[in-house]
Amino acid sequence: EIVLTQSPGTLSLSPGERATLSCRASQSVSSSCLAWYQQKPGQAPRLLIYGASSRATGIPDRFSGSGSGTDFTLTISRLEPEDFAVYYCQQYGSSPWTFGQGTKVEIK
Amino acid sequence: QVQLVQSGAEVKKPGASVKVSCKASGYTFTSYGISWVRQAPGQGLEWMGWISGHNGNTNYVQKVQGRATMTTDTSTSTAYMELRSLRSDDTAVYYCARFLATSGTRYYYLDVWGKGTTVTVSS
Repeated sequence: EIVLTQSPGTLSLSPGERATLSCRASQSVSSSCLAWYQQKPGQAPRLLIYGASSRATGIPDRFSGSGSGTDFTLTISRLEPEDFAVYYCQQYGSSPWTFGQGTKVEIK
Repeated sequence: QVQLVQSGAEVKKPGASVKVSCKASGYTFTSYGISWVRQAPGQGLEWMGWISGHNGNTNYVQKVQGRATMTTDTSTSTAYMELRSLRSDDTAVYYCARFLATSGTRYYYLDVWGKGTTVTVSS
């Protein structure tokens, strides 16, 4: 099983700042089969990034993903008020699919 | 538009079973699979398994293997997840989400999610 470790656990930033979230895998994620999701309280997760770096439909270009192998990054270039949420990475390249434990981006 | 509509909240006693439904609309059901993901109160996301709407193949996480059964009814574009022998630690919000099942692993990301079904297990 591929274990995904996200860091930091919580990121305290102000609107307009840049957010950098990390997701490290215990073994290589095949074919960059890594996604990022955003979840707000009381809501279902929303797909942001798939294939490590492709933005999902309707996702603003301030969200970007990068990385390969075992190290992946989600960057939010300038935080908007609606971006404060919990972010999860997920690998879907090998079974069982697994999620990271999440990074909470909170308002400083 | 593309959507997944899940059944309502359930309250069950330990040892009982629950069956959650997920009705798809706005897309070709048999071209996609449905994955089930749960989230215990205050916790992260846990993948439970998937079923292909294309051929009915299933894949479960070991933790629920033998207790969970995922099925589909292609005539109504509905997926179901049944969980038996419920325990208190099965209390969670259960989400269904779709993935493209006919084009290989690279397309297995979860692009549309249902709103979730709360299952509470309590004596």
